Amino acid sequence: KAGVTQTPRYLIKTRGQQVTLSCSPISGHRSVSWYQQTPGQGLQFLFEYFSETQRNKGNFPGRFSGRQFSNSRSEMNVSTLELGDSALYLCASARDGLTGELFFGEGSRLTVL
Amino acid sequence: AQRVTQPEKLLSVFKGAPVELKCNYSYSGSPELFWYVQYSRQRLQLLLRHISRESIKGFTADLNKGETSFHLKKPFAQEEDSAMYYCALSQRAGTALIFGKGTTLSVSS
Repeated sequence: KAGVTQTPRYLIKTRGQQVTLSCSPISGHRSVSWYQQTPGQGLQFLFEYFSETQRNKGNFPGRFSGRQFSNSRSEMNVSTLELGDSALYLCASARDGLTGELFFGEGSRLTVL
Repeated sequence: AQRVTQPEKLLSVFKGAPVELKCNYSYSGSPELFWYVQYSRQRLQLLLRHISRESIKGFTADLNKGETSFHLKKPFAQEEDSAMYYCALSQRAGTALIFGKGTTLSVSS
C-alpha cells in the first residue's frame, strides 16, 4: 500500500510569508500528526488530528495551525514565517492513534530567507 | 518535565561487536517507549515498542523503570544496522511522542 505522502517536498519562503504543507496518510489511517525537525531541537511534536479534530497539541506558537479533512488528509499552515521556522516538517499517520506506532512521510523541507 | 535523553550522538562499532544504544527518560506517569530508526535515504520507521517485548532485526530493549532507561541492544552488529536511532516516549494517549536527539550508529567491517 502507498505510504504517507507529503507535498511539497522542498520550498523556499521569505520572512513574513505564510506556507501550507499537505499530507496524505496511509489509506485507512485516521490519525495524522505533525513534527518539526531541526538540527538544534531535534524532532518536536506540533499537533495531532483524529477524525477531523485536533486531539493533541505541542508547545508551538499560534502561528502554527493545522486541519484535517473528511478523507483524513491533513494540512498544516505557518503564518508570518520567521527564520527559525526553517526545518523539515514530518507528517505521520496512524490507524487509530491510540499508540505511538507512527508511519512517517519523507517530509517537507522549508527554508525561510 | 518529560524528557528523553540519548547521551551519545555517535556510536561506532565493528561488525560482530555488541551494540548498546542508551536511552534515559523522565516521566511522571507510566510511559510507553519506542525505538525508531532511519536508514540512509529512507523514512523514519518504528523499530520496536517496549510493550511488544519482541526482538526485531536482532535488537531488543528492556524498560527499566528503576533506572528510567530503555536501552537498545544487539549482540552482534551488522553493517546494515548503520542508521540513526531515536528513542521516543508517548506522553499520553495518541501520537504525541517526545523524541530524543538521536544516536548515529556506524558499523564498519
